[in-house]
Amino acid sequence: NAGVTQTPKFQVLKTGQSMTLQCAQDMNHEYMSWYRQDPGMGLRLIHYSVGAGITDQGEVPNGYNVSRSTTEDFPLRLLSAAPSQTSVYFCASSERYSGNTIYFGEGSWLTVV
Amino acid sequence: GEDVEQSLFLSVREGDSSVINCTYTDSSSTYLYWYKQEPGAGLQLLTYIFSNMDMKQDQRLTVLLNKKDKHLSLRIADTQTGDSAIYFCAERGAAGNKLTFGGGTRVLVKP
Repeated sequence: NAGVTQTPKFQVLKTGQSMTLQCAQDMNHEYMSWYRQDPGMGLRLIHYSVGAGITDQGEVPNGYNVSRSTTEDFPLRLLSAAPSQTSVYFCASSERYSGNTIYFGEGSWLTVV
Repeated sequence: GEDVEQSLFLSVREGDSSVINCTYTDSSSTYLYWYKQEPGAGLQLLTYIFSNMDMKQDQRLTVLLNKKDKHLSLRIADTQTGDSAIYFCAERGAAGNKLTFGGGTRVLVKP
């Protein structure tokens, strides 16, 4: 009963490094998305996907790339990390017409120094 | 874009009722959600309400929705110290499963 799994939970990066945050779900959900959480700003949508092979930008997409080659996985790539990307990142998934429930992962705490 | 607003902070005495308020701008919202986040933890879905309802009760939680004024509230009865957390209001528009979150209300329960 894994639900939405994010890795790593904690990461420290140097400015300019690249990395990938992993997100996997085992519920066969079509919709997946990435949010970032900054103090006092709630969660903001970075990128989302409505199915394998389809991705689109959210509210704050700059500096991030995504791909959706399988239904299960939705990795988030930081191409050249900047201190402004220090944040907590949450992955979410849901059925296409889920109605009530959107499932969140436990979060990934990223610090860019 | 759509906007969701919440007050920043609420202090309440243990045993009293808490009321957290939220306003939103999206007139095509389908579902509205309340999430709880404890320090260092992820988001826990507390409750949700469909946009054609005006009230939903779930144990100590009561959600009120005024769709005309685009106002949502969460009432926690008999507030406990374990209710201290940040509470996020979120709305889901008609276009898909994207959520727009408020900035969160930090609730502090005093013994």
